[in-house]
Amino acid sequence: DAKTTQPTSMDCAEGRAANLPCNHSTISGNEYVYWYRQIHSQGPQYIIHGLKNNETNEMASLIITEDRKSSTLILPHATLRDTAVYYCIVRADNYGQNFVFGPGTRLSVLP
Amino acid sequence: GAVVSQHPSWVICKSGTSVKIECRSLDFQATTMFWYRQFPKQSLMLMATSNEGSKATYEQGVEKDKFLINHASLTLSTLTVTSAHPEDSSFYICSARSVGQGKSGELFFGEGSRLTVL
Repeated sequence: DAKTTQPTSMDCAEGRAANLPCNHSTISGNEYVYWYRQIHSQGPQYIIHGLKNNETNEMASLIITEDRKSSTLILPHATLRDTAVYYCIVRADNYGQNFVFGPGTRLSVLP
Repeated sequence: GAVVSQHPSWVICKSGTSVKIECRSLDFQATTMFWYRQFPKQSLMLMATSNEGSKATYEQGVEKDKFLINHASLTLSTLTVTSAHPEDSSFYICSARSVGQGKSGELFFGEGSRLTVL
């Protein structure tokens, strides 16, 4: 699986949009971009994933560049409960493939 | 989304004893489950891939005789930490995918089990 690079930490003001970047310059054509987050002492929570089109769901939006070498996760109106470690993962589309977690970005939403 | 449940959520045991952690997919079937370990302030590290009806596949550096994995049904995988020592204290997390999701479907994670070995 391709490796990803994320900033170690970010701060965001409550109510503002949080934009979390991820670089995956060696991504292959059959690899999807997934985002998970982990709140302290809990299991990772799925947020969103995509292949090449931008995606939106009730939690977030995922913007993937045209060359697919980077993406941005957008939390449109961050709340204090969004404080967590956010993981960007690229993974090929086959059943047996696991998810490889990097260090992620520690997002702190500040009041 | 689909639910993966782990039990116990936390356990304290004495050094030398064995501890079993259960991972259940509550509303879907999973032919493959993954076991991760997470030490404080670190990311998740894959320990092994659990396959229903067959032997687990262990990552390099993970002792298969120490971390016994059994995946006896499509909804249950167990991890047994044998002869636990204080260095085995960690947060253990399982995950699973539904067989009906398609190859690009997301992985669902359990709540994690925190093991403390005294």
